[in-house]
Amino acid sequence: ILNVEQSPQSLHVQEGDSTNFTCSFPSSNFYALHWYRWETAKSPEALFVMTLNGDEKKKGRISATLNTKEGYSYLYIKGSQPEDSATYLCASTGNQFYFGTGTSLTVIP
Amino acid sequence: SAVISQKPSRDICQRGTSLTIQCQVDSQVTMMFWYRQQPGQSLTLIATANQGSEATYESGFVIDKFPISRPNLTFSTLTVSNMSPEDSSIYLCSVAWGGFQETQYFGPGTRLLVL
Repeated sequence: ILNVEQSPQSLHVQEGDSTNFTCSFPSSNFYALHWYRWETAKSPEALFVMTLNGDEKKKGRISATLNTKEGYSYLYIKGSQPEDSATYLCASTGNQFYFGTGTSLTVIP
Repeated sequence: SAVISQKPSRDICQRGTSLTIQCQVDSQVTMMFWYRQQPGQSLTLIATANQGSEATYESGFVIDKFPISRPNLTFSTLTVSNMSPEDSSIYLCSVAWGGFQETQYFGPGTRLLVL
């Protein structure tokens, strides 16, 4: 079992603010790191898959970085919008997906 | 990617009863999985649904409690048997075509409340 931790647990930001949150995972036997965005009553939506140390991925205003040596990934949202409100999940994979408990983001108009 | 539907989307059940959740995918997939998210907890893998053979269960989950069927490459069911309030969770199915470097695609989930 891999212990994947996310922080903060929840976050409230004003519209237009930029924000970031963290996913920590065991650096040994690392295989891949996945980020998902999950809105209530919808399917979790895949954002990024990263495998290499130093990887950076970007999708619109959302970007992510990966440090496999120290075992963490950051997710950044630039200029937050109310539609960004969701729970952001990360998962580290070994022989299965091991998810963190998520960061719940609320963007206040 | 894949379009995945689940039925029911939510249910309220009495303790001691059973509920069967259906997962339908719009294309044939190699791998199908069932997850559970209890309140305040992370998504946890229950089992891998194998087409034409018995499901592979993770530690802490047993076939008698969570029987799974997978009659073909586009459909699977998960039954939550003899329910107790501790079974109140969101249950999700997911699919993938490759290994764990590949993205898993999730259904919208079934929200279960057991009274």
